Amino acid sequence: DADVTQTPRNRITKTGKRIMLECSQTKGHDRMYWYRQDPGLGLRLIYYSFDVKDINKGEISDGYSVSRQAQAKFSLSLESAIPNQTALYFCATSGTVTSTDTQYFGPGTRLTVL
Amino acid sequence: KQEVTQIPAALSVPEGENLVLNCSFTDSAIYNLQWFRQDPGKGLTSLLLIQSSQREQTSGRLNASLDKSSGRSTLYIAASQPGDSATYLCAVDQTGANNLFFGTGTRLTVIP
Repeated sequence: DADVTQTPRNRITKTGKRIMLECSQTKGHDRMYWYRQDPGLGLRLIYYSFDVKDINKGEISDGYSVSRQAQAKFSLSLESAIPNQTALYFCATSGTVTSTDTQYFGPGTRLTVL
Repeated sequence: KQEVTQIPAALSVPEGENLVLNCSFTDSAIYNLQWFRQDPGKGLTSLLLIQSSQREQTSGRLNASLDKSSGRSTLYIAASQPGDSATYLCAVDQTGANNLFFGTGTRLTVIP
């Protein structure tokens, strides 16, 4: 089984709908991240969490919220989806707060907002 | 704000060639620089991580160098293979909190 899983893998929704993207990890990592990827813009950080009680805004948090339900689960919500939130969304994890480690990515969720 | 640039955006080479991918960043005060590979329909896979105090890292046919003072990194791929075809992304960690600033990537095609 994959270490970092994302559900759903693909989602098409309409403007104004509430959407939740879910991420689960089996790596036992403390840190979790949400990114979006747009053509020509690379990946940009939306939110990150260093542990269950720690949530931080990233570069582009407006229009998004997150929930860290457990060490292994980190969800991203779009309260009222808009077309410019159409993108590829990635969840990632990395090691404990005392170590420097690379990030491990999920396979991505392709979201289309009509 | 840190800006990371990768040139070229796309590159095609015949199998067996050695090649270099370039990454530049505007703020040299970095903690580390990382190279990732992205395959279509899949997430990113870490290739190499270079700490700010290091000059290079090697893994198999891959060698990444870092010149922090000039804001540049290169990824050297030796004896390229069709399986190396992917998008290669570099990312900079400025604080050690692993909050990465990504470049837009170089899409590599290795022609058999």
